[in-house]
Amino acid sequence: GAVVSQHPSWVICKSGTSVKIECRSLDFQATTMFWYRQFPKQSLMLMATSNEGSKATYEQGVEKDKFLINHASLTLSTLTVTSAHPEDSSFYICSLETGDSYEQYFGPGTRLTVT
Amino acid sequence: GENVEQHPSTLSVQEGDSAVIKCTYSDSASNYFPWYKQELGKRPQLIIDIRSNVGEKKDQRIAVTLNKTAKHFSLHITETQPEDSAVYFCAASSGGSNYKLTFGKGTLLTVNP
Repeated sequence: GAVVSQHPSWVICKSGTSVKIECRSLDFQATTMFWYRQFPKQSLMLMATSNEGSKATYEQGVEKDKFLINHASLTLSTLTVTSAHPEDSSFYICSLETGDSYEQYFGPGTRLTVT
Repeated sequence: GENVEQHPSTLSVQEGDSAVIKCTYSDSASNYFPWYKQELGKRPQLIIDIRSNVGEKKDQRIAVTLNKTAKHFSLHITETQPEDSAVYFCAASSGGSNYKLTFGKGTLLTVNP
């Protein structure tokens, strides 16, 4: 398996500011990580696939200039929500897949509240 | 792209009864089907998964069945307990180069003592 951490676990920010969320693989070198968003009482929606050393692949409808993803090393991917608005308030979860199986290992999530 | 439908959206059972949640998928290339349990504010936890070369898999009180021809798969929980109460999500993946998952909309399972 793999152990995934996220930081912060929760954050409150004001509208118009930017927030960075970190996703770390503690015991595995991940070339690919995934970022999901989950609104209250809804399902997980894949936002983008983060690729180490290259540009992220965004899902249809996700603004790449608003949700900046940087996968600068094999153990760290970051998601920056730029110019946050209240509608960006959500639970953001990252995951990775080790290549040994199809199983994905999820981080604990980050609760973002934009006021 | 892949589309996963999940039913029912809510399910209430009495402790000790069985619970069944069903999902259908659209992409015939999908070959990996995990089920997750998610408690409020927590990360999804994998409870069981199945690959397309297998029709059924069981782990204690939990079982999953897959019908590739009909493109549907189901989660079966027997002898339900109050601690089984949570939201359950099915998902599908075609593997390939990035293993991305498409999730169903979830089922809120309530087990009444």
